Amino acid sequence: AQSVAQPEDQVNVAEGNPLTVKCTYSVSGNPYLFWYVQYPNRGLQFLLKYITGDNLVKGSYGFEAEFNKSQTSFHLKKPSALVSDSALYFCAVRDPTSGGYQKVTFGIGTKLQVIP
Amino acid sequence: GAVVSQHPSWVICKSGTSVKIECRSLDFQATTMFWYRQFPKQSLMLMATSNEGSKATYEQGVEKDKFLINHASLTLSTLTVTSAHPEDSSFYICSATAGLAAYNEQFFGPGTRLTVL
Repeated sequence: AQSVAQPEDQVNVAEGNPLTVKCTYSVSGNPYLFWYVQYPNRGLQFLLKYITGDNLVKGSYGFEAEFNKSQTSFHLKKPSALVSDSALYFCAVRDPTSGGYQKVTFGIGTKLQVIP
Repeated sequence: GAVVSQHPSWVICKSGTSVKIECRSLDFQATTMFWYRQFPKQSLMLMATSNEGSKATYEQGVEKDKFLINHASLTLSTLTVTSAHPEDSSFYICSATAGLAAYNEQFFGPGTRLTVL
């Protein structure tokens, strides 16, 4: 079974400061990991993913995430937050050994609030 | 690129009626489409996975006779909520992937808000 946890319901950060949105996962094999963002009244948008290789993955809008196998984490980061980054962020995981179709498990979401 | 549309964006219906929601991939061929429900302050709950031309795979606890899914082409999937009841009121979201690789990201529609009176 695969699972993902986002331990923070909400993260508040001042504009210009670095931000981190936490995600931990549990899978039996090597995971595929994803981050999506949901802006108000809009569909989820893909930000970045980890498949294999370099542990630091760069994505859209200046976001990056670091895969840490020993800590089973995939935290989302950005060096300097913008007010426009305020949104709901979802971490997702897929265990490629889990079966024949592409079921992805999503976290509960973390609301990011960037304060001007 | 990789745009997914949903129609309608919101619908209000009477209890006992059926409602059809369409999900279209506008600029790519969607080998697999997914249907989710999203509850307030909760994560996306996968309802079913469908591949073009084959029967949908429903998640445990999702009634296949109530939530009819048709994936008739590589660009269109429909979800029909039959005999809707107030407890079916929710935000329904579809997504699609291009290709069968497990590492493919999903492209999401904007969602459909269903309210059953």
